[in-house]
Amino acid sequence: GEDVEQSLFLSVREGDSSVINCTYTDSSSTYLYWYKQEPGAGLQLLTYIFSNMDMKQDQRLTVLLNKKDKHLSLRIADTQTGDSAIYFCAERYTNAGKSTFGDGTTLTVKP
Amino acid sequence: SQTIHQWPATLVQPVGSPLSLECTVEGTSNPNLYWYRQAAGRGLQLLFYSVGIGQISSEVPQNLSASRPQDRQFILSSKKLLLSDSGFYLCAWSGDRASGNTIYFGEGSWLTVV
Repeated sequence: GEDVEQSLFLSVREGDSSVINCTYTDSSSTYLYWYKQEPGAGLQLLTYIFSNMDMKQDQRLTVLLNKKDKHLSLRIADTQTGDSAIYFCAERYTNAGKSTFGDGTTLTVKP
Repeated sequence: SQTIHQWPATLVQPVGSPLSLECTVEGTSNPNLYWYRQAAGRGLQLLFYSVGIGQISSEVPQNLSASRPQDRQFILSSKKLLLSDSGFYLCAWSGDRASGNTIYFGEGSWLTVV
């Protein structure tokens, strides 16, 4: 079955760049997502990328997709303390009724 | 624009009592609807999903059930709660391919079974 894996923790200094990595197993994935979850809240969609794209940039966020290696990354430039949260990677293939989520990476930003 | 609401936000229930969490979606038609559970602030476990009224798929055997009495209403229930049912429950919806089949989440409901 489908599987999505992420490292559990990442710690960076304020102002540095953060890179959160994700690997997935389903080569049929057509959509890949990044969500952010702040304490006690639901998941907020940050961005998503179609599988026919290599990169997507949205302000401080850059998503890189390597389909060959089934590797997805989220880069946050100029990381701020407000970026501290859990970040979830998720994948989905066309017409599927559900997505597969990773276990989340807890990003801690130190001042 | 589309919005999703779920309630209650926080719930403390004794073991053996019933449960009802409700979720409604506004601004879209015929959404896919989902219930997830998140234990200890970690990964998401898909409990149920629905592609239409009365159509419920269960992902894991458990003490819970789901119903979809209306197109944009999804209800998570239990007749008798267990301690292990404690967790953070998230309702979600997704639309069509034009929206990237993206799943959008509600704000979650904290359930503590005591």
